[in-house]
Amino acid sequence: EVQLVQSGAAVKKPGESLKISCQGSGYIFTDYWIGWVRQMPGKGLEWMGITYVGGSDIRYSPSFRGQVTISVDRSITTAYLQWGSLQASDTAIYYCARQRDYGSGNWGMDVWGQGTTVTVSS
Amino acid sequence: DIQVTQSPSSLSASVGDRITITCRASQTIINYLNWYQQKPGKAPELVIYAASSLQDGVPSRFSGSGSGTDFTLTISSLQPEDFATYYCQQSYSTPQTFGQGTKVEIK
Repeated sequence: EVQLVQSGAAVKKPGESLKISCQGSGYIFTDYWIGWVRQMPGKGLEWMGITYVGGSDIRYSPSFRGQVTISVDRSITTAYLQWGSLQASDTAIYYCARQRDYGSGNWGMDVWGQGTTVTVSS
Repeated sequence: DIQVTQSPSSLSASVGDRITITCRASQTIINYLNWYQQKPGKAPELVIYAASSLQDGVPSRFSGSGSGTDFTLTISSLQPEDFATYYCQQSYSTPQTFGQGTKVEIK
């Protein structure tokens, strides 16, 4: 079964660092891109960035560039999203998703992780 | 960034109704448009890719159309399990922006 399994919920204080994970299984991890999506409480989906797992290409949304870091450890088929200094406004659910190439330049997020809830509060 | 605007933001419908949701891009995106369904407390699921292609396992009552800047998602006969929030997403360029969502509620 193709799946992405994310790390558990995190409760942090402002200024703390955090790294959440997304482990893929059931498919060739390095053949795909992995993307990250934020959903703030009661709000819509926000595209944060994607990384090509088989190479070094990482693309960030301007809204998130410099605020988060996307990385991958191919040896354990895991992608990461990390913060150096969290703020209360980072409170949200974060989803990872596999980006599939449907041909002719069409891409879609076809497999999603279950989401990681991050709560930042003093 | 390419902006994508969905309408309506919410709608009320009954089981068996035909509904249509619209997505408009701020510039041409050819057919690089996806639709996702999200139920409360769950991760989104891909429903339509490349504007009109049905993702594996999605019922045929779902359909998508459009090209350029204007796109639609249609559910031909609404079923109880279809009540959810739907998002469009453009994959033409990064950042791959989402629409603000359309909540489909039971009338």
